[in-house]
Amino acid sequence: DAGVIQSPRHEVTEMGQEVTLRCKPISGHNSLFWYRQTMMRGLELLIYFNNNVPIDDSGMPEDRFSAKMPNASFSTLKIQPSEPRDSAVYFCASRVGYAEAFFGQGTRLTVV
Amino acid sequence: TQLLEQSPQFLSIQEGENLTVYCNSSSVFSSLQWYRQEPGEGPVLLVTVVTGGEVKKLKRLTFQFGDARKDSSLHITAAQPGDTGLYLCAGASGAGSYQLTFGKGTKLSVIP
Repeated sequence: DAGVIQSPRHEVTEMGQEVTLRCKPISGHNSLFWYRQTMMRGLELLIYFNNNVPIDDSGMPEDRFSAKMPNASFSTLKIQPSEPRDSAVYFCASRVGYAEAFFGQGTRLTVV
Repeated sequence: TQLLEQSPQFLSIQEGENLTVYCNSSSVFSSLQWYRQEPGEGPVLLVTVVTGGEVKKLKRLTFQFGDARKDSSLHITAAQPGDTGLYLCAGASGAGSYQLTFGKGTKLSVIP
């Protein structure tokens, strides 16, 4: 199994631009999580999907952030417009039931 | 808001030394997980502790969950350069809960 696949690995964009991060969870996993990691705040849960349905998006910072999961094998996290304070490493994780969650390698986002 | 404080924040030791890192909270958790994260990678689960007072061993790593389920420690015996990484603890607030509260981590460097 290839594990959780995220793309791109690195993204540098200018303030105000739209950014889309992509995630392919492990096949058969029915839960998907988006996290953001910064030095100041550590790992924070942004949104949790179960069976492709958003269950908890209380961690999404503001309306500039949106996430979708159109099917069991794909999810996106979009930031529009991006701001320098959005710079962080964004992780996607997936799991089946209440078993261990597996993380992707992350997308390092830099907004200049 | 549940908070997990990890200490020390940074630790640099010589190969062969022993070390202990701590994870403390004022909140009670139903379970606590320890992860190791290497540069450019996502966190990888090392262990889950569930019962107050529980001790789990993983080769040279010993994990302990406090009796009150508010704190935990990770002890490494005879550290090796391969142990280098960011050690994160994460607490779950309910059985099978998807909501994990992460600490900011202890960055360990083991010098050959």
